[in-house]
Amino acid sequence: GENVEQHPSTLSVQEGDSAVIKCTYSDSASNYFPWYKQELGKRPQLIIDIRSNVGEKKDQRIAVTLNKTAKHFSLHITETQPEDSAVYFCAARDSGAGSYQLTFGKGTKLSVIP
Amino acid sequence: DSGVTQTPKHLITATGQRVTLRCSPRSGDLSVYWYQQSLDQGLQFLIQYYNGEERAKGNILERFSAQQFPDLHSELNLSSLELGDSALYFCASSAGTSGSYNEQFFGPGTRLTVL
Repeated sequence: GENVEQHPSTLSVQEGDSAVIKCTYSDSASNYFPWYKQELGKRPQLIIDIRSNVGEKKDQRIAVTLNKTAKHFSLHITETQPEDSAVYFCAARDSGAGSYQLTFGKGTKLSVIP
Repeated sequence: DSGVTQTPKHLITATGQRVTLRCSPRSGDLSVYWYQQSLDQGLQFLIQYYNGEERAKGNILERFSAQQFPDLHSELNLSSLELGDSALYFCASSAGTSGSYNEQFFGPGTRLTVL
């Protein structure tokens, strides 16, 4: 099955700086890569996703890049704000037919220091 | 609010007991997924149902079982509970239609504490 590795596990940045979180996946047939943000005590919420036919996607201060050859994808947050502090999870969609199962990384705890 | 509901919000029980967690998916969603999130751990996929049928199985213990009913709500049954089963259990739903990328929407979770 799919295996997703996520780094770093914790990340502290000064407000206004950029943050980068990286993930690698093992199944070359995976074709969908979402990123979820989970604030303390709350549900994970999708913040951005990318499909395997796209190399980069941007939404305001958030961007995701995908390198299919190297099987890695990254989340970039620019001009970080205190409300960006949360745990971020990357995921890859399993290629099993009709499953749509997501395999998640172990998460990155981002702390934005005012 | 994602549209996915879970009950109960909190559950405290003793070792050896059995509990049932309930999930109602978003209106129109056919797929339901169950995840376990332990302290400082990521989201561990347990099981997926699609329109009443089991579609995929992850790291689900034999003591755990699930089902999806005709009205598409799902229940996760946890039996012979152990201290290590204490965790946050999330349900997620997606449209599940063929050919789509199927964003998963998460419910608020059920926090299970086994004493």
